[in-house]
Amino acid sequence: EIVMTQSPATLSVSPGEGATLSCRASQSISSNLAWYQQKPGQAPRLLIYSASTRATGIPARFSGSGSGTEFTLTISSLQSEDFAVYYCQQYNNRPPWTFGQGTKVEIK
Amino acid sequence: EVQLVESGGGLVKPGGSLRLSCAASGFTFSSFSLNWVRQAPGKGLEWVSSISTSGNYIYYADSLKGRCTISRDNARNSLYLEMNSLRAEDTAVYYCARERYGDLDYWGQGTLVTVSS
Repeated sequence: EIVMTQSPATLSVSPGEGATLSCRASQSISSNLAWYQQKPGQAPRLLIYSASTRATGIPARFSGSGSGTEFTLTISSLQSEDFAVYYCQQYNNRPPWTFGQGTKVEIK
Repeated sequence: EVQLVESGGGLVKPGGSLRLSCAASGFTFSSFSLNWVRQAPGKGLEWVSSISTSGNYIYYADSLKGRCTISRDNARNSLYLEMNSLRAEDTAVYYCARERYGDLDYWGQGTLVTVSS
């Protein structure tokens, strides 16, 4: 089973600032990685797939990069609606599909 | 508009059983694999089970293997998860999600399963 490790667990950011979230896979997953955003009481929403492709309707301030074992989600200028928990998920070696433990982006 | 609507959650005693349903609309249901993902209170996401378009390929997480059965009815645009021998640690919101190329592009709003005496 591939283990996904996200860092940091919590990121405190001021509105308008940028944020960089990291995700590491325990073995190479090529570019088969997705990022999801989850707000309290809501279902997760797909942000990025194939490590760097924005899903439909996702603003350009969200960008993904990386391949192999190291991945990054960058939010260029945080808006109020971006404060949420973000999860990475690998789908290179499945089953099982595996998620990281999440990074909470909170208002500083 | 793609919609996934789960139902069937509720309070069940340890050792009990439950059948979750997911009604889909807004897309060609039979063309997509589907998944169940759960989230325990205050915790992260955990993949539970997956079923291919025709139901020929089915996978389960080790945590639920032998205790649950995923199925689908393409004529009714519906996905199901039957769970038995439920334990307290199965308490979670259960989401159904449409799979594209391994990523999960649409999710339902979830249904809460509480296992407690």
